[in-house]
Amino acid sequence: AQTVTQSQPEMSVQEAETVTLSCTYDTSESDYYLFWYKQPPSRQMILVIRQEAYKQQNATENRFSVNFQKAAKSFSLKISDSQLGDAAMYFCAYHGNQFYFGTGTSLTVIP
Amino acid sequence: GAVVSQHPSRVICKSGTSVKIECRSLDFQATTMFWYRQFPKKSLMLMATSNEGSKATYEQGVEKDKFLINHASLTLSTLTVTSAHPEDSSFYICSARAPGQTQETQYFGPGTRLLVL
Repeated sequence: AQTVTQSQPEMSVQEAETVTLSCTYDTSESDYYLFWYKQPPSRQMILVIRQEAYKQQNATENRFSVNFQKAAKSFSLKISDSQLGDAAMYFCAYHGNQFYFGTGTSLTVIP
Repeated sequence: GAVVSQHPSRVICKSGTSVKIECRSLDFQATTMFWYRQFPKKSLMLMATSNEGSKATYEQGVEKDKFLINHASLTLSTLTVTSAHPEDSSFYICSARAPGQTQETQYFGPGTRLLVL
């Protein structure tokens, strides 16, 4: 089975600063998707950004961008200009034929 | 668009009773719905995949007789935890996929917290 590893259980960032959340995964598949989901205290899973493995260009969504290194099986999330509302649990996820989620990184934004 | 709701948002029940959790797609028809379980400070684990009108497909290690899944309509799937025990206490999340969308496009519900006393 595929595995997704988030090695940072907790991270903090000063408001307006930039933070990078790490994620690595293990797979033998060549065609898959990678995601970052945000889970605020409300527990609603919110899609932040997605990346198709066949695309070399890194996905970006406003203040959120990824650094996708396919050979290294690395998929980090960069949050620029951090805002208080970014505070949440962030899950990295892999989808080949089903979702596999990492254990999450709890992000604290310091005012 | 693409809103998924769950009911109830939280439920407390006594050990040995059964609890039903509903997952509804509010503004689209979901041919496939997924049920996940999230332990405290843990990742989401896929429990089962349910397709409208057919039996659910359960992941390895998930007891199908304990976690009954019914997907009787294109907008509703239910998860019934039968004879609940304290170890079943968890956060249950459903997701739904609309027809014509690729498999990885799923919309998540807000989750249901189950506490079994």
